Amino acid sequence: EMVLTQSPGTLSLSPGERASLSCRASQSVASKFLAWYQQRPGQAPRLLLYGASNRATGIPERFSGSGSGTDFTLTISRLAPEDFAVYYCQQYGSSLLTFGGGTKVEMK
Amino acid sequence: QVQLQESGPGLVKPLQTLSLTCSVSGDSINSGGYYWSWIRQPPGKGLEWIGYIDSLGSAYYTPSLRSRVIISIDTSKDHFSLNLTSVTAADTAVYYCARYDFWNLRLDYWGQGSLVTVSS
Repeated sequence: EMVLTQSPGTLSLSPGERASLSCRASQSVASKFLAWYQQRPGQAPRLLLYGASNRATGIPERFSGSGSGTDFTLTISRLAPEDFAVYYCQQYGSSLLTFGGGTKVEMK
Repeated sequence: QVQLQESGPGLVKPLQTLSLTCSVSGDSINSGGYYWSWIRQPPGKGLEWIGYIDSLGSAYYTPSLRSRVIISIDTSKDHFSLNLTSVTAADTAVYYCARYDFWNLRLDYWGQGSLVTVSS
């Protein structure tokens, strides 16, 4: 069974700083099967990236994704106030979906 | 613009069945290439995928809930449903419905979520 481990659990940063969020898979994942979501407090999750690095419609360029195999990264180049939220990675495999535990990006 | 809306009781008694419906608008639920999904989130915790179903009725479930879950679809009414049996307090969560785009491998549209509390 696939397990996605996200780290760190919480990231404390200031607006304008760079954020790097990690998603590690227990088995190799094809990049096309990896997506990232943002969830602001009290809201439903929102698709950010799919295929590990493709931005969804309307997602700012400061969000980027990279990685392959078992290690994937979501990078926010310069944090805007609205980027303080929880981020989840998600993969598809064997007809099932799996989410990581999430990384909270909080304001320092 | 595709929209999804969950509906159902906000309170369910222990050992009873939790039933939710997701109404889809803006596109036909019969459109090929999509899986209609249920995801839940216990208070203060992360997301858990429950399962999904395609327009032909083929459903897949997360192993940990497989014995208690049924997802069904009614293409004539553009909605799909979740039934979770023998609920306990651990099933208290916000339940989201979402569309999984199988071409691009992404959950691209989500409902706003429905809080279901299991309590006597």
